[in-house]
Amino acid sequence: QQQVKQSPQSLIVQKGGISIINCAYENTAFDYFPWYQQFPGKGPALLIAIRPDVSEKKEGRFTISFNKSAKQFSLHIMDSQPGDSATYFCAARSGSRLTFGEGTQLTVNP
Amino acid sequence: DTEVTQTPKHLVMGMTNKKSLKCEQHMGHRAMYWYKQKAKKPPELMFVYSYEKLSINESVPSRFSPECPNSSLLNLHLHALQPEDSALYLCASSPNKEVQETQYFGPGTRLLVL
Repeated sequence: QQQVKQSPQSLIVQKGGISIINCAYENTAFDYFPWYQQFPGKGPALLIAIRPDVSEKKEGRFTISFNKSAKQFSLHIMDSQPGDSATYFCAARSGSRLTFGEGTQLTVNP
Repeated sequence: DTEVTQTPKHLVMGMTNKKSLKCEQHMGHRAMYWYKQKAKKPPELMFVYSYEKLSINESVPSRFSPECPNSSLLNLHLHALQPEDSALYLCASSPNKEVQETQYFGPGTRLLVL
C-alpha cells in the first residue's frame, strides 16, 4: 500500500514537445506529492509539488495534474528542452516518509 | 538559501576502514534524513532525525551509524562495509512542519567499497 507506481520508465521527446510522466498511488494517507529532477551524479532537486486539495499546479513550463478520486497525478513539461534531459521521480509523503516512484529517464532530442 | 551540503563528494574505502560522511544545512530545518541510492533506482530511506533525535531507522545494518550532533549537522559513520554498500548517499532536510513538507536534498557522497 506504500507503493507509488510511475510510468513510463523512459521517454524520448523532441525539442519543443510535451513530456508527460504519470504516477499512481494506493495509500490515502499520502498528503503531499512532490516531483524531483535528478541529473547524473547529483542529488534530486525539488521541481514542483502539490497538495491533494488542488487539481492542478503550474510553475513555468512544469504542470502537475492531480486526480484525487483516481489516485493519480502527472507531470507535464511543456516546450521540452535538451536541458530537461534527466531522471524524474514522483513521490508521495506520509508522515516523515517520502515514497518514491521508480523514476523516468527523460531524453529530449535537439 | 535552500542548500544542503555534503562532504566528501567521493569516498573510496576498504572493507576494514572506518569513515564518516558529513551533512550540513543552515535553513533552520529540524528534520534530517539519510538516503541510499543505487544506480537507476529511487532513493531509499535509511534514517530520519527529528529535533536531533533518531525517529526512524529503516532496519539499516549496524555497520551504518548515524549521529546528529546539533540541528545543523548530520553524520553517517561507516565501519566494515561491504562492496554492495557502494552507492550514492544522500542527505536531506525539511522544516518538520505538518503542511507542505518539502525535503531538500544535498548533492550526495559517491561511495565505493573495495
